[in-house]
Amino acid sequence: KQEVTQIPAALSVPEGENLVLNCSFTDSAIYNLQWFRQDPGKGLTSLLLIQSSQREQTSGRLNASLDKSSGRSTLYIAASQPGDSATYLCLLRDSNYQLIWGAGTKLIIKP
Amino acid sequence: NAGVTQTPKFQVLKTGQSMTLQCAQDMNHNSMYWYRQDPGMGLRLIYYSASEGTTDKGEVPNGYNVSRLNKREFSLRLESAAPSQTSVYFCAGKPDINTEAFFGQGTRLTVV
Repeated sequence: KQEVTQIPAALSVPEGENLVLNCSFTDSAIYNLQWFRQDPGKGLTSLLLIQSSQREQTSGRLNASLDKSSGRSTLYIAASQPGDSATYLCLLRDSNYQLIWGAGTKLIIKP
Repeated sequence: NAGVTQTPKFQVLKTGQSMTLQCAQDMNHNSMYWYRQDPGMGLRLIYYSASEGTTDKGEVPNGYNVSRLNKREFSLRLESAAPSQTSVYFCAGKPDINTEAFFGQGTRLTVV
C-alpha cells in the first residue's frame, strides 16, 4: 500500500531564506505528484504538477523535483516571504488511480 | 479553484439530521473525489468516482453515501449526522490520469 509522508510537520524560518519541503512515498509506481498550499481556513491551491516522466517543474520562486527511484519529491522555495506562510501538501496519484495525500508541512516565514 | 463548486460553504447540523453536500464541475473531469480534512489527520478519502455511474469506497466511507448520476455532479450524503463527522469536506475533480486535480473551496460542517 502506497504511503505518503511529509517531514517535518512544521517549519519556521526567517524571511529571505531558501527552503526545501519534502514529500516521501513508498511505492515508485506513480503517475504524477502535485504540490498544493492551503491557507488557514481556506481551500487548496494547486502549485505544481510533476508527471512521472518528469524530473522537475518550476513556477516563479517555486521548484518541485521528483525522484521516483528514491521515493521523494521536494518543493524548493527561493527567497521566502511572509506571504509564503501556509500549509504545503503533496498529492500523489498511484498506479491504482488513487489520489493519496501527505499530511502536510506547516510553514511559517518570520518577518 | 476554477471549475469545481461546492455547496454549501458552511453548515451546522444536529445529531441525527441528514444532508447532502453538493459538488459540481464544469471541466469535464472523469474522476471525482470526496475528502474530509481534520486537524492533525490530513486529507482522507471518503469516496471516489472514476467515471460517470461508478463509485468506490475510500479510506473512511462509513456514515456516508455518494451519488454520481452524471459527469458534472458528485454528491456526498450524510444519512444520520454524528459529531464525529464534524470536519471540512473537499470535493475534487481530475480530467484523466495525467492531469492535475482541481479542488473546491470546501464545506465546513459542524454536527452538534
